[in-house]
Amino acid sequence: EVQLLESGGGLVPPGGSLRLSCASSRFTFNTFAMSWVRQAPGKGLEWVSSISGFGGTISYSDSVRGRFTISRDNSKNTLYLQMNSLRADDTAVYFCAQGRVGLTFPFDSWGQGTLVSVSS
Amino acid sequence: EIVLTQSPGTLSLSPGERATLSCRASQSVSSNYLAWYQQKPGRAPRLLIYDASNRATGIPDRFSGSGSGTDFTLTISRLEPEDFAVYYCQQYGNSPFGTFGQGTKVEIK
Repeated sequence: EVQLLESGGGLVPPGGSLRLSCASSRFTFNTFAMSWVRQAPGKGLEWVSSISGFGGTISYSDSVRGRFTISRDNSKNTLYLQMNSLRADDTAVYFCAQGRVGLTFPFDSWGQGTLVSVSS
Repeated sequence: EIVLTQSPGTLSLSPGERATLSCRASQSVSSNYLAWYQQKPGRAPRLLIYDASNRATGIPDRFSGSGSGTDFTLTISRLEPEDFAVYYCQQYGNSPFGTFGQGTKVEIK
C-alpha cells in the first residue's frame, strides 16, 4: 500500500505564494497519475489539478487555472503544487491523491492533507 | 459543466438499518464513470466504489453501487458503527473531470 505524505502548508497573506509537496513511497511512482484535491473548512471536496505519470497531460479546475502549477519529479517520487496569487477562498486542507493503475480517476490512495490558510 | 447533486443532505439511521444515498448528475455521465468515497472527520477520503458499481479493494460487500446515466445510488445494506461518515460521489466521465457532489452525511439516529 502506497504512503503519500504532504508538506508545505501554512499561513500566507493574500497575494502570497506557497509550494506544496507530496512524497510517495511507491517505487513505480512514474506509472501513476497524481492529483490535488482540496477541502475548505467544513465544506466538501473540490478537485484542483491532475498530472499524468510522466507529466505530459495536465489539467486544472477553473478556480485555480493561471494561478496554480502542478508538477512532479519522478526521480524524487514527489508531486508539487505551486500556488501563486493566493486568495482567502484558497484556504483549505490540500490532499494529494493517486489514480488507479493507468488511470487519472478515481483516487484510490490519499495523503493525510496539509492545511493552507490565507489571511492577513 | 456537469453538476452532481447528492441527496439527502443528512441521513439519520440506526446501526443495522439500510442506507440509500443518491447522486444525480445534470447530464449523463459518460461510461458511467462515477465513484463514491467515504470520509470521516479529520481523515482523508477513502474510495468505496468506482465505475458506478465496482467495489474498491478491501471494501466490505455491504457497500454496493448502482445506476447509470444521470442517476446513481450508493447502498449500505446494514449499517455498522464505523459507517457513520460523510459520503461523496465524483464523476470522471465528462469534462471538467473529477467534480464532486456536495456530500451526504450519515449520522446515528
